[in-house]
Amino acid sequence: AQSVAQPEDQVNVAEGNPLTVKCTYSVSGNPYLFWYVQYPNRGLQFLLKYITGDNLVKGSYGFEAEFNKSQTSFHLKKPSALVSDSALYFCAVRDVTGTASKLTFGTGTRLQVTL
Amino acid sequence: NAGVTQTPKFQVLKTGQSMTLQCAQDMNHNSMYWYRQDPGMGLRLIYYSASEGTTDKGEVPNGYNVSRLNKREFSLRLESAAPSQTSVYFCASSVEGYGTQYFGPGTRLLVL
Repeated sequence: AQSVAQPEDQVNVAEGNPLTVKCTYSVSGNPYLFWYVQYPNRGLQFLLKYITGDNLVKGSYGFEAEFNKSQTSFHLKKPSALVSDSALYFCAVRDVTGTASKLTFGTGTRLQVTL
Repeated sequence: NAGVTQTPKFQVLKTGQSMTLQCAQDMNHNSMYWYRQDPGMGLRLIYYSASEGTTDKGEVPNGYNVSRLNKREFSLRLESAAPSQTSVYFCASSVEGYGTQYFGPGTRLLVL
């Protein structure tokens, strides 16, 4: 079965500094990988995805993610963090079994950006 | 274009009561999903529907039933609520293919 792991429950960073939220994956076949963000009391919002092609994927709100096949990682990055980036971030992998594409989510990483 | 909508936003039930969570999408998506979100556990798939007329179990289906009423609507029913079903429930939809899912705002359920 496909799976993703987010090794950090929380990441703390100062505003203006670069941020990285880590994700590693385990799949059979080619991975389809996603990042979502959840603000307090809201649903999940899609940030970006990797299907194929360039290893650096650009997404919403200035976020990007780097796909690394040899390290089976898909880390989320942003060059300069904002306080408004504080939220819960989920990595997910597509699992095509049965009759539909499903997403398997990691346990989430809380990003705290401080002034 | 409202995207994915869910009702109610918040519900309190007593153990043994039943209720139905409603979900609708206006994006003409084929697939719809129900998840529950619990602290430290991420999102876990309860049931999904690849297309109108089909439903399948996800990771944690016990205690739940679903109905894909039409292409737009996908409901989740708790027949006899238990405290272990206290959670936040999210509905999502997607066009088939690469699997990007779009989420509703969630229903917060408390079972006493």
